[in-house]
Amino acid sequence: TQLLEQSPQFLSIQEGENLTVYCNSSSVFSSLQWYRQEPGEGPVLLVTVVTGGEVKKLKRLTFQFGDARKDSSLHITAAQPGDTGLYLCAGEGNSNYQLIWGAGTKLIIKP
Amino acid sequence: DAGVIQSPRHEVTEMGQEVTLRCKPISGHDYLFWYRQTMMRGLELLIYFNNNVPIDDSGMPEDRFSAKMPNASFSTLKIQPSEPRDSAVYFCASSLRATDEAFFGQGTRLTVV
Repeated sequence: TQLLEQSPQFLSIQEGENLTVYCNSSSVFSSLQWYRQEPGEGPVLLVTVVTGGEVKKLKRLTFQFGDARKDSSLHITAAQPGDTGLYLCAGEGNSNYQLIWGAGTKLIIKP
Repeated sequence: DAGVIQSPRHEVTEMGQEVTLRCKPISGHDYLFWYRQTMMRGLELLIYFNNNVPIDDSGMPEDRFSAKMPNASFSTLKIQPSEPRDSAVYFCASSLRATDEAFFGQGTRLTVV
């Protein structure tokens, strides 16, 4: 069974600080998606990474897919209160039938 | 398209009662997923459909749970009888392919007392 482990589970920092959250597995994934979920809403896709070593940027958010396609990271520069939310990673595994979801990192950015 | 539409947004019911959650997927999406989200267990896939046919219901916790998709624009998740441990947020999502971007509804927050 393929699993995705996200760390940390919870992170609370001050506005303006930088942070990195991780999504790790012992298995290879064909691609990996990052979602953000705000309170009272469903998850919304931020980015999909497909190629090992790929780096994608979305304003102050930088996503990286590991060379071996077993892990991914999300780095936020100068965090803002609007970045607050639950960050979920989801991978396309071997079955190609469904996404495999991590448990998420709950991020709180304090003004 | 208005996105995935779920109803109701909130449901409070007494233990033992039947609960029906509803979902309208995005038009043209061939896949529909039902998820349950709790603090303890995170986001769990309950069941998914491809072209209205249930493909994998291994995530459905018990026989008390059932799901149907009578046509491409409507699906239901029913819990009968409901129990307090069913309290959670239930999400419906749809996508073009099984592992493409999943578009989620706003969820139904179910509280069973």
